Parts: sequence; structure tokens; C-alpha cells
Amino acid sequence: DQQVKQNSPSLSVQEGRISILNCDYTNSMFDYFLWYKKYPAEGPTFLISISSIKDKNEDGRFTVFLNKSAKHLSLHIVPSQPGDSAVYFCAASLGSYQLTFGKGTKLSVIP
Amino acid sequence: DSGVTQTPKHLITATGQRVTLRCSPRSGDLSVYWYQQSLDQGLQFLIQYYNGEERAKGNILERFSAQQFPDLHSELNLSSLELGDSALYFCASSNPSRARNYGYTFGSGTRLTVV
Repeated sequence: DQQVKQNSPSLSVQEGRISILNCDYTNSMFDYFLWYKKYPAEGPTFLISISSIKDKNEDGRFTVFLNKSAKHLSLHIVPSQPGDSAVYFCAASLGSYQLTFGKGTKLSVIP
Repeated sequence: DSGVTQTPKHLITATGQRVTLRCSPRSGDLSVYWYQQSLDQGLQFLIQYYNGEERAKGNILERFSAQQFPDLHSELNLSSLELGDSALYFCASSNPSRARNYGYTFGSGTRLTVV
């Protein structure tokens, strides 16, 4: 049973446009959500997080939106840059700091 | 450099063999987590240690075991290896003051190939 789902394995976006990566979850008890970015041959690196008591968190070009009623979160990247091309993982935390990850979405930003 | 060190980076071994993967956490982090990334399977949580004690277990096979030593480094032991164990194995570390907002810090992984 997959508690965190990223239904789009891949996404292609033109440089300068907006990238929207989506994530759905099933466990309403998750209290923190995080996005990680992963380049080939490297470990995932933290990108941005959001508490379940908020609906938006912004950090530069990256914004995460949380819709608790729909159990859905999204990551917006504006404007997208070629260096943003990577695999993005959505993760959710349940109290014990143990993260449950989605399968990832590969973002390709086309120059 | 994330501060989490994993060795070796690559490992090729035969079926039935046993290997040990090593992880040194970021300075000051007491928790160590092990994750497996197989093709198309995302990051699967295996096990967590906190200050030397097992804290949580995920989908870890009985053929796999781990421990965290007094100096906080951790080892993941994989035995009776099968072809399906070929994967990237990541170690991550965290501390309670950072984990909520910043999650874990990952190492660059060990790529295990079983032939």
C-alpha cells in the first residue's frame, strides 16, 4: 500500500516556464511534507518542506502548496531552469521523523 | 559534500555472498536511516537507528541486518544475496532539532550489483 504517490513518472517543461510536480497521500495523520531533489549518482537533497498546519510555503523559485482536504501537495518551480532537471521526491513524515517517500518524478527542463 | 559518508560507492558481488555497507552520519546527528532504491521502486525505508538503538523497521528482509556503533557510524549487512538485491542503498542522518523542517541528510549511496 503506497501512502505517498507521485503519479507522473516524468515531466518536460520549457526553460522559463512553470513546473508543477504533484503528490498525493493517503494517511491524514502525516504532519510534515518535504520535497527532495536528486541528481544522478548523488543522494537526495532537501529542497523545501511544509507543515500540515500551513497551506503554502515559499523559498525563492520554489513554492509548495498543501491541500489537506484533497490530501494533495504540489511543488511549483518558477521560472524553471535547465539545472532544475532532476528527479523530485515527495516525502511525508509521521511524528517519528520517519519519512515515507513517493517513487519520484523526473523533471526535464528544455533550454 | 552532504556530511554523510557512505562506503563503498560501488560493489559487485555474486549471488549467495554477504556484504557490508558502511555509513558515517553528519556530525552531531544521532539518527541513521537506511533506504533501498530499486529500479522504479522509489526509496524504500529499511531501518532506523537512534544513538545506537534500533528505532524503527521498515521493509527489511530477514537476510538483512544493521547496527549503529558507539561512534554513531552504522553498517548494513546483506547476506545470501540474490539478483533482486541489486539496488542503490542510501544512508541518511538527522537530529531532532532539524528533522521536522529539513528532513534527513543523505549520503551519495552505495550501488550494489549482484551477479
